[in-house]
Amino acid sequence: GQQVMQIPQYQHVQEGEDFTTYCNSSTTLSNIQWYKQRPGGHPVFLIQLVKSGEVKKQKRLTFQFGEAKKNSSLHITATQTTDVGTYFCAASGGGADGLTFGKGTHLIIQP
Amino acid sequence: DVKVTQSSRYLVKRTGEKVFLECVQDMDHENMFWYRQDPGLGLRLIYFSYDVKMKEKGDIPEGYSVSREKKERFSLILESASTNQTSMYLCASSPGTPFYEQYFGPGTRLTVT
Repeated sequence: GQQVMQIPQYQHVQEGEDFTTYCNSSTTLSNIQWYKQRPGGHPVFLIQLVKSGEVKKQKRLTFQFGEAKKNSSLHITATQTTDVGTYFCAASGGGADGLTFGKGTHLIIQP
Repeated sequence: DVKVTQSSRYLVKRTGEKVFLECVQDMDHENMFWYRQDPGLGLRLIYFSYDVKMKEKGDIPEGYSVSREKKERFSLILESASTNQTSMYLCASSPGTPFYEQYFGPGTRLTVT
């Protein structure tokens, strides 16, 4: 399946600071999905990007898909304590082999 | 709302036991998946299924098997549990692939002693 590298593994921020996590692949991706997992919870779907250069926003969250469809990012503006959790990207190569998840970025917010 | 349920939240088994993890979804989804989640390794796909009685190996199928006799139910089987199978197991379902979101169950934390 696809290989996706996600960085950083951990990110400590002060409440109110911005946060970004990156997802990279050596091959072209058909789509990319982002999930959030709260501590003790299960992954919950946030968004899907399909088009080259696509940008989508959900309130303080901005998702981007690279022009070459090999990378993606999730940016949170002015973090809040409710943003705490692990953010995963997941990619499909377009075949029938399901999704491959990145290892996730743990967002830790210090009040 | 889509609901994916798993038979147990916590399970403790002994080495060598046969273990069954059950997953049920109530939205008539075609596709079902089993992942394991370990610290630092993220989610890794064990097996998935696109239809009843159909199964495909994921990235780490060794030591596991699956069964899908009914559309709504997908079982993960550890034929002879080992300590390195201690993990969080997550089931998911989706209406299709590859452009559909996956809905996850609450997970089963399995400890093999």
